[in-house]
Amino acid sequence: QSALTQPASVSGSPGQSITISCTGTSSDIGAYNYVSWFQQHPGEARKLIIYAVSVRPSGVSNRFSGSKSGYTASLTISGLQAEDEADYYCSSYSSTSSILFGGGTKVTVL
Amino acid sequence: EVQLVESGGGLIEPGGSLRISCAASGFTVSDAWMNWVRQASGKGLEWIGRIRNRAGGDRTEYAAPLKDRFIISRDDLTNTLHLQMKGLEIEDTAVYYCATEGFRYGHHSHDSWGQGTLVTVSS
Repeated sequence: QSALTQPASVSGSPGQSITISCTGTSSDIGAYNYVSWFQQHPGEARKLIIYAVSVRPSGVSNRFSGSKSGYTASLTISGLQAEDEADYYCSSYSSTSSILFGGGTKVTVL
Repeated sequence: EVQLVESGGGLIEPGGSLRISCAASGFTVSDAWMNWVRQASGKGLEWIGRIRNRAGGDRTEYAAPLKDRFIISRDDLTNTLHLQMKGLEIEDTAVYYCATEGFRYGHHSHDSWGQGTLVTVSS
């Protein structure tokens, strides 16, 4: 069982919006704005797509957005495209100076 | 361009030791906080630990369950990160990744990742 809880899978049709949740505790997501999201396509290196809860690195599509409420962070993908089909992971800094990760969410574009 | 290439994985018997490496290019490892993260098959990511940059005193920090068996070090001459593992257990079987932390972007964000090296612990 991973430290942060993500749904195993989320699916949507092209053009739709989907949201992936990432639930932690008062010692990690609830305490810090150091939540990141990663995208991983099969056979490729993991790619940072959101950091500091809601900031996109340069070059990342503005269809990706992040937010946080209480102990839960969320990644929303708007205007879903076939290329968005991938695994997505969240992470958070924690009070023990460690990094916690989610178990990953497989996004399927129907 | 930042590149991270892990190597040294393989098959090791329970109780054995192994050192894996991460060759960096496009930047100087002593300028970055460097992390090791692993992923067992079908499981989520697990943080192993980090070594801070030179400005951070080269301090190492580990996940509590692993701190007695894993050691992270850095070779500034070869621009390489290492992970020394001892007392390996079957549960340590995983793909091991190195990653930068907060180097190009925000604090505690893993902004660059390698492709990983597979460590299999089995008799």
